[in-house]
Amino acid sequence: DVKVTQSSRYLVKRTGEKVFLECVQDMDHENMFWYRQDPGLGLRLIYFSYDVKMKEKGDIPEGYSVSREKKERFSLILESASTNQTSMYLCASNPGDRGNEKLFFGSGTQLSVL
Amino acid sequence: AQSVTQPDIHITVSEGASLELRCNYSYGATPYLFWYVQSPGQGLQLLLKYFSGDTLVQGIKGFEAEFKRSQSSFNLRKPSVHWSDAAEYFCAVGAGGYNKLIFGAGTRLAVHP
Repeated sequence: DVKVTQSSRYLVKRTGEKVFLECVQDMDHENMFWYRQDPGLGLRLIYFSYDVKMKEKGDIPEGYSVSREKKERFSLILESASTNQTSMYLCASNPGDRGNEKLFFGSGTQLSVL
Repeated sequence: AQSVTQPDIHITVSEGASLELRCNYSYGATPYLFWYVQSPGQGLQLLLKYFSGDTLVQGIKGFEAEFKRSQSSFNLRKPSVHWSDAAEYFCAVGAGGYNKLIFGAGTRLAVHP
C-alpha cells in the first residue's frame, strides 16, 4: 500500500515563527499536494508539485511556500505563522498519469498558532 | 472555474435507513468525480470514482453514486446505513492538469441507533 507520512500529528507554534511541515511518500509518485482542512470549508489546495523542484500555486497560497528537493519529500513552509493559519494540514500524492487522479492522503498535521 | 457544492452540511439518519448525499459540480469538460470519507481521527479514504462509461458507480462499503451530466450532479447513496458510516463525506472533481482535485465543503453524517 502507498504510504504518505506526515512528520507531526500535532504542532503548537507561536505567531511569527517559521514553521516546516514535512511529508514523505514511498511510492515514487510524481505529484504531491498540500491541502488545509477547515470546518465548513472542506479541503482547499495550497500548493502542489508535479516534479522535483517544480511547484504550482493552488487556490490559497498566500502566506505559504513549498520545497521539493527530492521526489519523495514535499515540505510546506509558513514563513511567519499567523493565528489564521491554525488548521489541519493534509499532504497527498498521486502517480501523475492522466486518469489516475486518486489521491493518497497522509493522516494530517493539526497546527495551532498561538 | 471548477467548483464543487455539497448543499448539506449535516445529515442525521437512523441506522438501517437509506442515505443520499448530494454533490453538484461545475466543470467545463467531462469531469472525473470522486467521493472520499473521513472517519473521526482518520485520514481520507476513497469510496468510489467516476471516470467514464457506466454512470452508476459502485464503491466500497456498499456505497454507490450516480453521475447525471444534465444535472451536474454526482450523488452518493447507500440503501441501509450502519452506525460505522458516521463520518464526514467529501465530493471532489478532477480539475484538469497535474491531477488536482477540487473538494466540496463536506457533509457530516450522524447515525442514530
